[in-house]
Amino acid sequence: EAEVAQSPRYKITEKSQAVAFWCDPISGHATLYWYRQILGQGPELLVQFQDESVVDDSQLPKDRFSAERLKGVDSTLKIQPAELGDSAMYLCASSSRLASLGGEQYFGPGTRLTVT
Amino acid sequence: AQSVAQPEDQVNVAEGNPLTVKCTYSVSGNPYLFWYVQYPNRGLQFLLKYITGDNLVKGSYGFEAEFNKSQTSFHLKKPSALVSDSALYFCAQGGYNKLIFGAGTRLAVHP
Repeated sequence: EAEVAQSPRYKITEKSQAVAFWCDPISGHATLYWYRQILGQGPELLVQFQDESVVDDSQLPKDRFSAERLKGVDSTLKIQPAELGDSAMYLCASSSRLASLGGEQYFGPGTRLTVT
Repeated sequence: AQSVAQPEDQVNVAEGNPLTVKCTYSVSGNPYLFWYVQYPNRGLQFLLKYITGDNLVKGSYGFEAEFNKSQTSFHLKKPSALVSDSALYFCAQGGYNKLIFGAGTRLAVHP
């Protein structure tokens, strides 16, 4: 069964350092999402791609966060500089149809980020 | 604005008993509703979804959910709980182009 791949699974970094996360969606899925999940809360969307284009980045803190999906396949989320409040689980998901059209999203295992 | 409410932080059930995890959604046209499960240090796994049609939706691992438009609810159910069902459960609503998640309900099934 196809899965969404993410790496690394765990990352510890000091504040003010740069950190990057990678995601490889299920083959053929045009839509890719990055979510942030703070402990005890539901995931919140950071950025959504349709192929290589950003569809929604309204909740992405653009002063420190950036995301790209250059060839419309895998994607990288970067934080620079990291802050203590960025400690969270970062989840990547992909889907073949938009949620507004009833498409379910498939999630990767996530990257647990700890900023010290 | 769309929102999803899961009124219970935790649900405790004895193994073998039926379980219900509650979810209510905001009214905005015909809702697309989803349930996901999350095990410790893992991503979310899709369980089931309601798009249209039959109000009782069957999903993975013996779970089902009942859509009730008049009560704007989409409760997750299982006739007989297993200890292995213990996890964090999220209800979500399909918004314009994204999922709106509830805060989650922790299900604890005791032997």
